[in-house]
Amino acid sequence: DAGVTQSPTHLIKTRGQHVTLRCSPISGHKSVSWYQQVLGQGPQFIFQYYEKEERGRGNFPDRFSARQFPNYSSELNVNALLLGDSALYLCASSFQGSTEAFFGQGTRLTVV
Amino acid sequence: GQNIDQPTEMTATEGAIVQINCTYQTSGFNGLFWYQQHAGEAPTFLSYNVLDGLEEKGRFSSFLSRSKGYSYLLLKELQMKDSASYLCAVNQAGTALIFGKGTTLSVSS
Repeated sequence: DAGVTQSPTHLIKTRGQHVTLRCSPISGHKSVSWYQQVLGQGPQFIFQYYEKEERGRGNFPDRFSARQFPNYSSELNVNALLLGDSALYLCASSFQGSTEAFFGQGTRLTVV
Repeated sequence: GQNIDQPTEMTATEGAIVQINCTYQTSGFNGLFWYQQHAGEAPTFLSYNVLDGLEEKGRFSSFLSRSKGYSYLLLKELQMKDSASYLCAVNQAGTALIFGKGTTLSVSS
């Protein structure tokens, strides 16, 4: 069984650019959440989607947006990148939003 | 407000027992999770508590007291491979996982 897969694994972008990160959940999981993890800190919640609808949003600016597709995969978009957006972006899937979350390997984003 | 506190660093020796504490104050509670994260890797699930008491799973156990806003992760028979960051996370109202900053555990021989 494939776990949560994220692409790309590493990415380097320039300030001001836009980035799209992708996530495929575990088969049968309908909930996808996105987290940002800065070095030395715990993950911070960005978004949760369940059945293609946004169920929760963390304290992030409007430059961050996401969506979930009919096959339950998800994209996280970040516009007008700042140096401070450099982090590990984690996607987690769960059967329902409140059950155990399984994390993907993450996308390491570096903004220069 | 929301706050999850856990010690920043802990050290222990192989074969020993270590207890990592976590206290939380959140606006909602739908369970507490412990995750292990090795450097550069994704968090992996260790345990889940939603009712008070102790959950045991092999060398790892987790305890929850909802009235005290307190949990701990107990690691027995420590091995070098247990050197990692341990993350306490509260599921808030069925949506977000609110994480603590993590406890870096170093196991020495």
